[in-house]
Amino acid sequence: DTAVSQTPKYLVTQMGNDKSIKCEQNLGHDTMYWYKQDSKKFLKIMFSYNNKELIINETVPNRFSPKSPDKAHLNLHINSLELGDSAVYFCASSQVPGPNEKLFFGSGTQLSVL
Amino acid sequence: DQQVKQNSPSLSVQEGRISILNCDYTNSMFDYFLWYKKYPAEGPTFLISISSIKDKNEDGRFTVFLNKSAKHLSLHIVPSQPGDSAVYFCAATFSQGAQKLVFGQGTRLTINP
Repeated sequence: DTAVSQTPKYLVTQMGNDKSIKCEQNLGHDTMYWYKQDSKKFLKIMFSYNNKELIINETVPNRFSPKSPDKAHLNLHINSLELGDSAVYFCASSQVPGPNEKLFFGSGTQLSVL
Repeated sequence: DQQVKQNSPSLSVQEGRISILNCDYTNSMFDYFLWYKKYPAEGPTFLISISSIKDKNEDGRFTVFLNKSAKHLSLHIVPSQPGDSAVYFCAATFSQGAQKLVFGQGTRLTINP
């Protein structure tokens, strides 16, 4: 019974397409995140939502739009995909937004833009 | 500009010996540090953390050391076991405000039998 699940696991698409990645957590956590692991392997935060409200929005192009229909779900929609969007995207959750909270990560979505 | 760096992309250690993974940071305002462990095809999982008011935190075989003056932390695993083979990420954050972890690029640890 996966705590943080994201789909799809792999996503291969053409430049210019629009795609979505879904994330769900069954831990009862209030806070969810999207992180991106780039080609140099650094994990960088993109967004954070607490109880459906956006609390962190890093300098991410506005082609990326997170949506949180309820506190158990945080989806990531990407418009007009570019080659540089190719990366592994990780969803995560924590009980509350505090800095000392452990993050629970999903297994990642590998996005390849051709 | 990467504020957290792990300069060793890989490390190989004999089973039973000590593994030492290193991490450097540049932002002196960071005051909370964490290590995450990642197996292939899985997400990172929390391992151990340390607040800047401490210089050492221990949890079983894992100990994290913090040297604030050098802006350096290290993770010691002793004794190392084959199941410890994974990628280890160091992360730093601020103890105030919403959590925004800044990760290093990871070190791949291989424990040889």
